[in-house]
Amino acid sequence: SSELTQDPTVSVALGQTVRITCQGDSLRGYYASWYQQKPGQAPVLVMYGRNNRPSGIPDRFSGSSSGNTASLTITGAQAEDEADYYCNSRDSSAYHEVFGGGTKLTVL
Amino acid sequence: QVQLQESGPGLVKPSQTLSLTCTVSGGSISSGGYYWSWIRQHPGKGLEWIGYVYDSGTTYYNPSLKSRVTISVDTSKNQFSLNLSSVTAADTAVYYCARAGGAGPYNWFDPWGQGTLVTVSS
Repeated sequence: SSELTQDPTVSVALGQTVRITCQGDSLRGYYASWYQQKPGQAPVLVMYGRNNRPSGIPDRFSGSSSGNTASLTITGAQAEDEADYYCNSRDSSAYHEVFGGGTKLTVL
Repeated sequence: QVQLQESGPGLVKPSQTLSLTCTVSGGSISSGGYYWSWIRQHPGKGLEWIGYVYDSGTTYYNPSLKSRVTISVDTSKNQFSLNLSSVTAADTAVYYCARAGGAGPYNWFDPWGQGTLVTVSS
């Protein structure tokens, strides 16, 4: 089955732009979806498809994809964006799902 | 809006079967176009997809868990369930239910239940 690889930790200065990436073969055929998880809470969908934000997600979040890499960009990071971020896509070989290992975002 | 809530024992003995139910409110599980999922998270670790079920009863499972997992749906109760057999301490995790959707090259999980911690211990 496919794997999705994420950087374990990323940091960004308050108000600056940060890109969180996700790499995997499945991303050549499927878009990633992205989830934000704060301590003690369930994950929340923040991005899916080409660049689709669910209702209620601030427009500072955007998504992109190229080749085997998907990216979640936060433009003007806020303190409340500090969280773990997980990418997900369908597995390229079968009707299964795979999650990345997660990226812990620290806002300095 | 649609909400999901997990329920079930928080403690299961080794070798027994872990059974959880997810109750869907604010919408029908038979509304079509969605599939109903279980995902778990080991303490301090990342997310692991367990499987999902369509309202038709068709299921898809994580190959690493397939031999022990059964996911079923009860449309009359607007619920779906997870059974994981022969559990060990390695199955200790927070278990989430979530609605999945999408088409073609994209999919998503939304919303998620709040999660329930299941500990496997004698």
